[in-house]
Amino acid sequence: DTGVSQNPRHKITKRGQNVTFRCDPISEHNRLYWYRQTLGQGPEFLTYFQNEAQLEKSRLLSDRFSAERPKGSFSTLEIQRTEQGDSAMYLCASSFVRQGADRNQPQHFGDGTRLSIL
Amino acid sequence: AQRVTQPEKLLSVFKGAPVELKCNYSYSGSPELFWYVQYSRQRLQLLLRHISRESIKGFTADLNKGETSFHLKKPFAQEEDSAMYYCALREEGGKLIFGQGTELSVKP
Repeated sequence: DTGVSQNPRHKITKRGQNVTFRCDPISEHNRLYWYRQTLGQGPEFLTYFQNEAQLEKSRLLSDRFSAERPKGSFSTLEIQRTEQGDSAMYLCASSFVRQGADRNQPQHFGDGTRLSIL
Repeated sequence: AQRVTQPEKLLSVFKGAPVELKCNYSYSGSPELFWYVQYSRQRLQLLLRHISRESIKGFTADLNKGETSFHLKKPFAQEEDSAMYYCALREEGGKLIFGQGTELSVKP
């Protein structure tokens, strides 16, 4: 088990372009979370999945952002028409949650994808 | 609103000195609190969680509901403890709310 894997590690793109990030969670984990971290701040929640279902989205997640987890395994986060303010570290985390007991497993984080908008 | 506050951005101590990283929270439900640590060039990793009531790498943290605090303590700091420390609160739905982090610098 190599832990949570995120690709790419770094992404540099011009304003207005679309970008897509991938997250591969720990294999038996059914919960997958996306967070965003800007310089000098702690991670901020964006969205999360229980298997393939997207259960919650933050107000930080504008219409330009979309996330999927089509088969309940890996997830993708796409940002369309990127803006300067999208520059950040995008973190993925996963955990295992038993039915009716969602507090019993901590989240494990990936290395993140650092997005820089030129 | 749910919030986690870490009042110190930077804490600098000498090796062997005691360390206390402060964390205060506001949460209407029953809180579940964590400390995560990020060493240089490494990923965010769990240090400890309040329900475990364990000591990891000499660190302990006690949940004080009266003061709504979850301060992280270590009696004798080591140079290898230098890192970013984040306090986090888990909401009912599972998502984490993080503080802004405290950078701990332990000098020789």
